[in-house]
Amino acid sequence: QSALTQPASVSGSPGQSITISCTGTSSDVGDYNYVSWYQQHPGKAPKLMIYDVIYRPSGVSDRFSGSKSGNTASLTISGLQAEDEADYYCGSFTSSSTQVFGTGTKVTVL
Amino acid sequence: QVQLQESGPGLVKPSETLSLTCTVSGGSMSSYYWSWIRQPPGKGLEWIGYIYYSGSTNYNSSLKSRVTISVDTSKNQYSLKLSSVTAADTAVYYCARGARHGNYVRWIDPWGQGTQVTVSS
Repeated sequence: QSALTQPASVSGSPGQSITISCTGTSSDVGDYNYVSWYQQHPGKAPKLMIYDVIYRPSGVSDRFSGSKSGNTASLTISGLQAEDEADYYCGSFTSSSTQVFGTGTKVTVL
Repeated sequence: QVQLQESGPGLVKPSETLSLTCTVSGGSMSSYYWSWIRQPPGKGLEWIGYIYYSGSTNYNSSLKSRVTISVDTSKNQYSLKLSSVTAADTAVYYCARGARHGNYVRWIDPWGQGTQVTVSS
């Protein structure tokens, strides 16, 4: 099972919007609406930010939103803030009944 | 509020078996998938495998020959064993809960704080 493909880095200025892509295959992202996104600050455990492609857990800012088209899922952060600077990973259920994560994206707030 | 806590040796010798335990508090293990995930230094997340509370398992194909995950619901614990370790197995190891819908794992939350395991002689 190959890792899902994410851009290595994305940056934006405070207040701007950025989008992180997550490209898989028809055996994972493309075939299931079980895509999730995780935020990880240095030295910390990942935190769930989006589940089932578009849903936010309680307590997660509505500046975070998810979507999917075909084999590619996306995470958009609107109104970028300094605290959003972190690594972000997508994850998906697969046709082998396993989980696969993305390669990770470092978000930098300029 | 469910919490997970990893425990086990922080240093393992090459060719030996890495053993970790995850203790689940604040909730039942029923009806969830219980996962192990690792993160080598400076790298991304790698899913190792999961166990359903009833005992059924599924593993990452790249690690399958070396991995065993077991569960003890009476103690609210589950464990990871990774055999024949090398330096490439050095990583932070996380335990985490998988939300279930039928036979599908929808998302992973919450996560334990992680435990550093170094493979070195």
